[in-house]
Amino acid sequence: DTAVSQTPKYLVTQMGNDKSIKCEQNLGHDTMYWYKQDSKKFLKIMFSYNNKELIINETVPNRFSPKSPDKAHLNLHINSLELGDSAVYFCASSPRKEANYGYTFGSGTRLTVV
Amino acid sequence: GENVEQHPSTLSVQEGDSAVIKCTYSDSASNYFPWYKQELGKRPQLIIDIRSNVGEKKDQRIAVTLNKTAKHFSLHITETQPEDSAVYFCAASIPFNAGKSTFGDGTTLTVKP
Repeated sequence: DTAVSQTPKYLVTQMGNDKSIKCEQNLGHDTMYWYKQDSKKFLKIMFSYNNKELIINETVPNRFSPKSPDKAHLNLHINSLELGDSAVYFCASSPRKEANYGYTFGSGTRLTVV
Repeated sequence: GENVEQHPSTLSVQEGDSAVIKCTYSDSASNYFPWYKQELGKRPQLIIDIRSNVGEKKDQRIAVTLNKTAKHFSLHITETQPEDSAVYFCAASIPFNAGKSTFGDGTTLTVKP
């Protein structure tokens, strides 16, 4: 069983379109994250949810809207896609927000905007 | 907020040699320091971590050291093998900060056979 799974793995779309990425974890973790990895491999946090509650919202354009229907799922919807949105998006989870633990990452979604 | 600097950005070693990657952090409140390995086209995976109440931790060929006074920590890989080739990321976390980790910019390690 995959601990943190993301779909789709690849996403190619045109500028201006709207797309969603889904993430699910079966580890029973309370906290989930979205990270963006750009072409230089830098990993930057975008959002974090704890038990369905948004707890981190970094400086991300409001075209990006996360949604957590339950603590095992965290989805990312992107409106009006731009060329600069092309990147690999990683979902991750960790046991609790109160203490620090390492992340378990999903396999990533490579988004290409043309 | 926390800022993590990682050096070098690229590192090339011969198989069997040692590799050292260094990171510095800015916020003295940080107390958790994980290291991740990301192979080409794969997800980052946690390989070792250290908490601020410990100065050194070792797991087979991998070790991490932490100097809280100087606010730096290092990853040491001994007897490197070609399969150690990957991008390595350090990170630092401040307690009660929603579990958020701030990542360094990564080090691309190449082990030549």
